[in-house]
Amino acid sequence: GAVVSQHPSRVICKSGTSVKIECRSLDFQATTMFWYRQFPKQSLMLMATSNEGSKATYEQGVEKDKFLINHASLTLSTLTVTSAHPEDSSFYICSALPGTSGGADTQYFGPGTRLTVL
Amino acid sequence: AQSVAQPEDQVNVAEGNPLTVKCTYSVSGNPYLFWYVQYPNRGLQFLLKYITGDNLVKGSYGFEAEFNKSQTSFHLKKPSALVSDSALYFCAVRDRGNNRLAFGKGNQVVVIP
Repeated sequence: GAVVSQHPSRVICKSGTSVKIECRSLDFQATTMFWYRQFPKQSLMLMATSNEGSKATYEQGVEKDKFLINHASLTLSTLTVTSAHPEDSSFYICSALPGTSGGADTQYFGPGTRLTVL
Repeated sequence: AQSVAQPEDQVNVAEGNPLTVKCTYSVSGNPYLFWYVQYPNRGLQFLLKYITGDNLVKGSYGFEAEFNKSQTSFHLKKPSALVSDSALYFCAVRDRGNNRLAFGKGNQVVVIP
């Protein structure tokens, strides 16, 4: 149980294009999902909290117009990197908090998406 | 705001020897504490957590951790390390008032055959 998938696992795109990453909870519902960014040999940096049916909450310094988050259902959140540039190249990881009424304590993580912008 | 310190960058241990990965935390109230493991180019896998109750928590793959409130620590331990335990280990803390996790910088564990 508690499986989270991400698609694609790896994407290479040209500078200026947009890339969409999907995060799905496969065997549970999640009102809340999270998007992280990880640089090589570094920890995870929380980018935003994705809430089903409402706007995402972005961390300080994260551009909401560049990193568009949509949480359209209880099992799917998407992150769109708009007008990607080489400095956006990174490993993006999502996580999901099981439940629809709060109270869950453990985040379960997806396998990550490696984005390379040329 | 909550924070986590993992003081060592890398932990080297011989196969079969005990493994310890250190973690201390800072949080305003009572914490939720977690350990996750990450293999190369993969997401994080949940190992164990402390929420309440017994200070010694047992988790996946033979790992355990002990919550020490007076020392604000949550060290991860395994009695006998395997080569397959070589990975990046993250300690994380969450304040009970919100859902956000704060991660430590991570510890690379290298188990030497």
